[in-house]
Amino acid sequence: GAGVSQSPSNKVTEKGKDVELRCDPISGHTALYWYRQRLGQGLEFLIYFQGNSAPDKSGLPSDRFSAERTGESVSTLTIQRTQQEDSAVYLCASSFVSRANEQFFGPGTRLTVL
Amino acid sequence: DQQVKQNSPSLSVQEGRISILNCDYTNSMFDYFLWYKKYPAEGPTFLISISSIKDKNEDGRFTVFLNKSAKHLSLHIVPSQPGDSAVYFCAASQQGAQKLVFGQGTRLTINP
Repeated sequence: GAGVSQSPSNKVTEKGKDVELRCDPISGHTALYWYRQRLGQGLEFLIYFQGNSAPDKSGLPSDRFSAERTGESVSTLTIQRTQQEDSAVYLCASSFVSRANEQFFGPGTRLTVL
Repeated sequence: DQQVKQNSPSLSVQEGRISILNCDYTNSMFDYFLWYKKYPAEGPTFLISISSIKDKNEDGRFTVFLNKSAKHLSLHIVPSQPGDSAVYFCAASQQGAQKLVFGQGTRLTINP
Protein backbone atom coordinates (compact mmCIF):
# COMPACT_ATOMS: atom_id res chain seq x y z
CA GLY A 1 0.00 0.00 0.00
CA ALA A 2 1.09 3.54 -0.64
CA GLY A 3 -0.28 5.06 2.54
CA VAL A 4 0.99 5.45 6.08
CA SER A 5 0.67 2.23 8.04
CA GLN A 6 0.74 1.69 11.79
CA SER A 7 0.95 -1.36 13.98
CA PRO A 8 -0.57 -2.72 16.02
CA SER A 9 -4.03 -1.38 15.31
CA ASN A 10 -5.05 -2.09 18.89
CA LYS A 11 -3.00 -2.59 22.01
CA VAL A 12 -4.26 -3.42 25.48
CA THR A 13 -1.70 -3.35 28.25
CA GLU A 14 -1.52 -3.29 32.01
CA LYS A 15 -0.52 -0.23 33.94
CA GLY A 16 3.24 -0.12 34.43
CA LYS A 17 4.14 -2.08 31.30
CA ASP A 18 6.11 -0.65 28.38
CA VAL A 19 4.64 -0.44 24.87
CA GLU A 20 6.07 0.17 21.42
CA LEU A 21 4.04 1.59 18.57
CA ARG A 22 5.27 1.45 15.00
CA CYS A 23 4.79 3.74 12.03
CA ASP A 24 5.73 3.14 8.40
CA PRO A 25 5.49 6.44 6.52
CA ILE A 26 4.87 7.00 2.84
CA SER A 27 8.03 6.23 0.91
CA GLY A 28 10.00 9.39 0.20
CA HIS A 29 8.40 11.44 2.96
CA THR A 30 11.24 12.84 5.00
CA ALA A 31 9.00 14.41 7.63
CA LEU A 32 7.22 12.22 10.17
CA TYR A 33 4.90 13.25 13.00
CA TRP A 34 3.30 11.60 15.99
CA TYR A 35 0.02 12.85 17.41
CA ARG A 36 -2.36 11.41 19.96
CA GLN A 37 -6.09 11.75 20.35
CA ARG A 38 -7.65 11.19 23.71
CA LEU A 39 -11.32 10.40 23.90
CA GLY A 40 -13.41 13.40 22.86
CA GLN A 41 -10.36 15.55 22.22
CA GLY A 42 -8.57 16.87 19.19
CA LEU A 43 -5.26 15.64 17.91
CA GLU A 44 -2.37 16.60 20.15
CA PHE A 45 1.11 16.97 18.64
CA LEU A 46 3.81 14.83 20.21
CA ILE A 47 6.98 14.89 18.10
CA TYR A 48 8.30 15.75 14.63
CA PHE A 49 11.10 14.01 12.77
CA GLN A 50 13.06 15.46 9.90
CA GLY A 51 14.97 12.52 8.55
CA ASN A 52 16.18 10.59 11.57
CA SER A 53 16.47 13.55 13.91
CA ALA A 54 13.73 15.14 15.98
CA PRO A 55 14.00 18.94 15.96
CA ASP A 56 10.68 19.31 17.77
CA LYS A 57 9.90 17.09 20.73
CA SER A 58 7.86 19.74 22.49
CA GLY A 59 4.68 17.70 22.64
CA LEU A 60 6.02 14.67 24.48
CA PRO A 61 4.07 14.75 27.76
CA SER A 62 6.71 13.20 30.01
CA ASP A 63 10.07 11.46 30.00
CA ARG A 64 8.21 8.15 29.85
CA PHE A 65 7.61 8.93 26.17
CA SER A 66 10.36 8.56 23.58
CA ALA A 67 10.56 8.03 19.85
CA GLU A 68 13.14 7.15 17.29
CA ARG A 69 13.33 6.92 13.55
CA THR A 70 15.76 4.89 11.47
CA GLY A 71 16.67 4.87 7.81
CA GLU A 72 14.51 7.95 7.29
CA SER A 73 11.68 5.48 7.32
CA VAL A 74 10.18 3.50 10.18
CA SER A 75 9.51 5.22 13.49
CA THR A 76 8.81 3.72 16.89
CA LEU A 77 7.04 5.52 19.73
CA THR A 78 7.83 3.97 23.10
CA ILE A 79 5.85 4.58 26.26
CA GLN A 80 7.47 3.28 29.43
CA ARG A 81 5.62 2.43 32.63
CA THR A 82 2.26 3.13 31.03
CA GLN A 83 -0.43 4.93 32.99
CA GLN A 84 -4.18 4.94 32.48
CA GLU A 85 -4.05 8.52 31.19
CA ASP A 86 -1.89 7.29 28.30
CA SER A 87 -4.96 5.57 26.85
CA ALA A 88 -5.58 7.22 23.49
CA VAL A 89 -5.34 6.72 19.75
CA TYR A 90 -1.79 7.38 18.61
CA LEU A 91 -1.61 8.68 15.06
CA CYS A 92 1.38 8.92 12.80
CA ALA A 93 1.59 11.22 9.77
CA SER A 94 4.18 11.87 7.11
CA SER A 95 4.87 14.55 4.53
CA PHE A 96 7.55 16.10 2.39
CA VAL A 97 9.52 18.52 4.57
CA SER A 98 8.73 21.40 2.23
CA ARG A 99 5.03 20.59 2.36
CA ALA A 100 4.37 20.20 6.07
CA ASN A 101 0.80 21.37 5.58
CA GLU A 102 0.08 18.27 3.52
CA GLN A 103 0.33 15.60 6.17
CA PHE A 104 -0.98 12.13 5.42
CA PHE A 105 -2.19 10.18 8.41
CA GLY A 106 -2.14 6.52 9.24
CA PRO A 107 -5.14 4.72 10.79
CA GLY A 108 -3.73 4.99 14.29
CA THR A 109 -3.02 2.61 17.16
CA ARG A 110 -5.66 2.49 19.86
CA LEU A 111 -3.88 2.04 23.19
CA THR A 112 -5.83 0.98 26.25
CA VAL A 113 -4.06 0.90 29.59
CA LEU A 114 -5.93 -1.11 32.20
CA ASP B 1 -4.39 26.48 26.35
CA GLN B 2 -6.60 25.54 23.42
CA GLN B 3 -5.34 27.59 20.48
CA VAL B 4 -7.86 26.12 18.04
CA LYS B 5 -11.44 25.61 19.18
CA GLN B 6 -14.43 23.95 17.67
CA ASN B 7 -17.25 24.79 20.03
CA SER B 8 -19.87 22.49 18.54
CA PRO B 9 -19.18 18.83 19.38
CA SER B 10 -21.91 17.70 17.01
CA LEU B 11 -24.10 18.89 14.18
CA SER B 12 -27.05 17.24 12.47
CA VAL B 13 -28.14 18.35 8.99
CA GLN B 14 -30.75 17.18 6.53
CA GLU B 15 -29.46 15.65 3.30
CA GLY B 16 -29.33 18.25 0.54
CA ARG B 17 -29.08 21.20 2.93
CA ILE B 18 -25.99 23.22 3.80
CA SER B 19 -23.67 22.13 6.61
CA ILE B 20 -21.67 24.87 8.31
CA LEU B 21 -18.85 23.91 10.66
CA ASN B 22 -17.11 26.59 12.67
CA CYS B 23 -13.65 27.02 14.12
CA ASP B 24 -12.02 29.78 16.18
CA TYR B 25 -8.34 30.33 16.88
CA THR B 26 -6.38 32.53 19.24
CA ASN B 27 -2.85 32.55 17.83
CA SER B 28 -2.45 35.44 15.37
CA MET B 29 0.74 33.83 14.06
CA PHE B 30 -1.22 31.06 12.37
CA ASP B 31 -1.05 31.59 8.62
CA TYR B 32 -2.45 28.39 7.17
CA PHE B 33 -5.64 26.57 8.01
CA LEU B 34 -6.89 23.14 7.10
CA TRP B 35 -9.94 20.96 7.48
CA TYR B 36 -9.59 17.22 7.92
CA LYS B 37 -12.31 14.61 7.80
CA LYS B 38 -12.19 11.45 9.88
CA TYR B 39 -14.19 8.27 9.64
CA PRO B 40 -14.21 5.76 12.54
CA ALA B 41 -11.10 3.56 12.75
CA GLU B 42 -9.36 5.57 10.03
CA GLY B 43 -6.83 8.37 10.14
CA PRO B 44 -7.86 11.93 9.29
CA THR B 45 -7.84 12.76 5.60
CA PHE B 46 -7.17 16.20 4.20
CA LEU B 47 -10.25 17.98 2.86
CA ILE B 48 -9.50 21.61 2.05
CA SER B 49 -7.17 24.38 3.15
CA ILE B 50 -6.76 28.14 3.04
CA SER B 51 -3.84 30.50 3.35
CA SER B 52 -4.17 33.60 5.48
CA ILE B 53 -3.73 35.79 2.40
CA LYS B 54 -7.11 34.60 1.16
CA ASP B 55 -10.57 34.82 2.64
CA LYS B 56 -12.22 32.06 0.65
CA ASN B 57 -11.27 28.80 -1.01
CA GLU B 58 -13.66 26.57 -2.87
CA ASP B 59 -13.37 22.96 -4.00
CA GLY B 60 -16.52 21.40 -5.38
CA ARG B 61 -19.12 21.15 -2.64
CA PHE B 62 -16.67 22.41 -0.02
CA THR B 63 -15.87 26.05 0.70
CA VAL B 64 -13.73 27.40 3.51
CA PHE B 65 -14.09 31.00 4.66
CA LEU B 66 -11.50 32.81 6.74
CA ASN B 67 -12.16 35.94 8.79
CA LYS B 68 -8.78 37.01 10.12
CA SER B 69 -10.04 39.93 12.13
CA ALA B 70 -12.41 37.65 14.01
CA LYS B 71 -9.92 34.77 14.05
CA HIS B 72 -12.65 32.56 12.73
CA LEU B 73 -12.99 30.10 9.91
CA SER B 74 -15.86 28.01 8.67
CA LEU B 75 -16.39 25.08 6.36
CA HIS B 76 -19.49 25.01 4.19
CA ILE B 77 -20.67 21.81 2.57
CA VAL B 78 -23.45 22.15 0.04
CA PRO B 79 -25.38 20.10 -0.74
CA SER B 80 -24.74 17.76 2.19
CA GLN B 81 -24.67 14.06 1.41
CA PRO B 82 -24.91 11.00 3.71
CA GLY B 83 -21.26 10.17 2.95
CA ASP B 84 -20.29 13.47 4.56
CA SER B 85 -21.17 12.03 7.97
CA ALA B 86 -17.85 12.03 9.82
CA VAL B 87 -15.85 13.96 12.39
CA TYR B 88 -14.38 17.18 11.00
CA PHE B 89 -11.23 18.69 12.46
CA CYS B 90 -10.02 22.21 11.96
CA ALA B 91 -6.23 22.63 12.08
CA ALA B 92 -3.79 25.52 11.88
CA SER B 93 -0.10 26.00 11.34
CA GLN B 94 2.40 28.84 11.37
CA GLN B 95 5.39 29.45 9.17
CA GLY B 96 8.51 27.79 10.49
CA ALA B 97 6.62 25.25 12.56
CA GLN B 98 6.01 21.82 11.14
CA LYS B 99 3.26 20.73 13.49
CA LEU B 100 -0.45 21.19 13.03
CA VAL B 101 -2.60 22.42 15.91
CA PHE B 102 -6.01 20.78 15.89
CA GLY B 103 -9.42 21.64 17.28
CA GLN B 104 -11.49 19.11 19.20
CA GLY B 105 -13.56 18.10 16.18
CA THR B 106 -17.23 18.32 15.24
CA ARG B 107 -19.23 15.19 14.51
CA LEU B 108 -21.42 15.84 11.49
CA THR B 109 -24.42 13.62 10.86
CA ILE B 110 -26.32 13.92 7.60
CA ASN B 111 -29.87 12.62 7.89
CA PRO B 112 -31.62 11.16 4.83
